[in-house]
Amino acid sequence: EPEVTQTPSHQVTQMGQEVILRCVPISNHLYFYWYRQILGQKVEFLVSFYNNEISEKSEIFDDQFSVERPDGSNFTLKIRSTKLEDSAMYFCASSEWRNQPQHFGDGTRLSIL
Amino acid sequence: DQQVKQNSPSLSVQEGRISILNCDYTNSMFDYFLWYKKYPAEGPTFLISISSIKDKNEDGRFTVFLNKSAKHLSLHIVPSQPGDSAVYFCAALGFGNEKLTFGTGTRLTIIP
Repeated sequence: EPEVTQTPSHQVTQMGQEVILRCVPISNHLYFYWYRQILGQKVEFLVSFYNNEISEKSEIFDDQFSVERPDGSNFTLKIRSTKLEDSAMYFCASSEWRNQPQHFGDGTRLSIL
Repeated sequence: DQQVKQNSPSLSVQEGRISILNCDYTNSMFDYFLWYKKYPAEGPTFLISISSIKDKNEDGRFTVFLNKSAKHLSLHIVPSQPGDSAVYFCAALGFGNEKLTFGTGTRLTIIP
């Protein structure tokens, strides 16, 4: 069964450094998403991406965040200058279309020191 | 943000019996609802969904019921199996939106 893959599984970074989280969505899916889950809290939406542009974003997704689809298979989330509060599990997801089930990867645990 | 609520943090059920997980929502603009299952160190796995035009959807051992007037949905698992032990999340989508709003999850433990 096709799946969303994320790398790395765990990323440790010094505060203030840039980090790039990578995802390979399911190949025939057109919508891509990033979510995060801070320890002990709910899974929160960050951003959705369609047709090479952001289609929706949350208030969490400020100027330090960016997303990109650099080629036909990868989808990345960049955090420019990491803060301690960025420590969380980051999940990538994809769906065939809007209002279709979103399928999640296993996440990247981001630890900011 | 309490738009989607799962009031039971945990539930224990005997193997072979029915598991019923509940979810309430407050936003009338939600029109598509999903249940996800999550094991430790894995991402949420999609289980079953329901559109607001329906009140029931069934897939094998899993059935989701939607009561729009009560803004309530439930997931029934029959019969419950040990492999069903996981955290279950309810999630909702608003019409024309792409943002899934998640509940806090219910930890289901199936007792052999």
